[in-house]
Amino acid sequence: EVQLVESGGGLVQPGGSLRLSCAASGFTFSSYEMNWVRQAPGKGLEWVSYISSSGSTIYYADSVKGRFTISRDNAKNSLYLQMNSLRAEDTAVYYCARVPGSYDFDYWGQGTLVTVSS
Amino acid sequence: NFMLTQPHSVSESPGKTVTISCTRSSGSIASNYVQWYQQRPGSSPTTVIYEDNQRPSGVPDRFSGSIDSSSNSASLTISGLKTEDEADYYCQSYDSSNPYWVFGGGTKLTVL
Repeated sequence: EVQLVESGGGLVQPGGSLRLSCAASGFTFSSYEMNWVRQAPGKGLEWVSYISSSGSTIYYADSVKGRFTISRDNAKNSLYLQMNSLRAEDTAVYYCARVPGSYDFDYWGQGTLVTVSS
Repeated sequence: NFMLTQPHSVSESPGKTVTISCTRSSGSIASNYVQWYQQRPGSSPTTVIYEDNQRPSGVPDRFSGSIDSSSNSASLTISGLKTEDEADYYCQSYDSSNPYWVFGGGTKLTVL
């Protein structure tokens, strides 16, 4: 069974940093592209970042470019999102999501809540 | 980047059919596949349609997807509505010129 489990969310002050993790199991993690998608409270879904299966190709949404860094450790079956210079508008549930190959998302984690507030 | 525009909400009675639209602002809707996700309150999104009109295993055939180049839009149709279909629905596509994954704003479906 495919499982994606996010962790690392919490309350952080504006300007602070946080590192999210996503532990994958039930599939060959190193064969799949991965993404982070977020959802602000009561709002819609927003794509955040993409990483290829090897980690060699990375993309970011304009809203997080220069502040967030996506990475992965295929030996540990884990995906990460380092978030720096956090702003109130980064407050959201962050989901990791698997890409099966056609630019869609076939499995999502349960999400981890990041709250940026003083 | 292009935008995907959905109606904010739709409502229909159990047993009826509802269609949710998703209009692409620029570029052809047929340029990249459209997906549809269902999100029930407090849950993560799940795929109900991928690659314009494909249903993942386990999704009932009451759910169908299509694209219309004349209106530059995609549609999700749910027939034989059940109360369990009440959820938010999001369309999604991909902007290959950037690259960028684009979501519609979401449509709240009420079955009453």
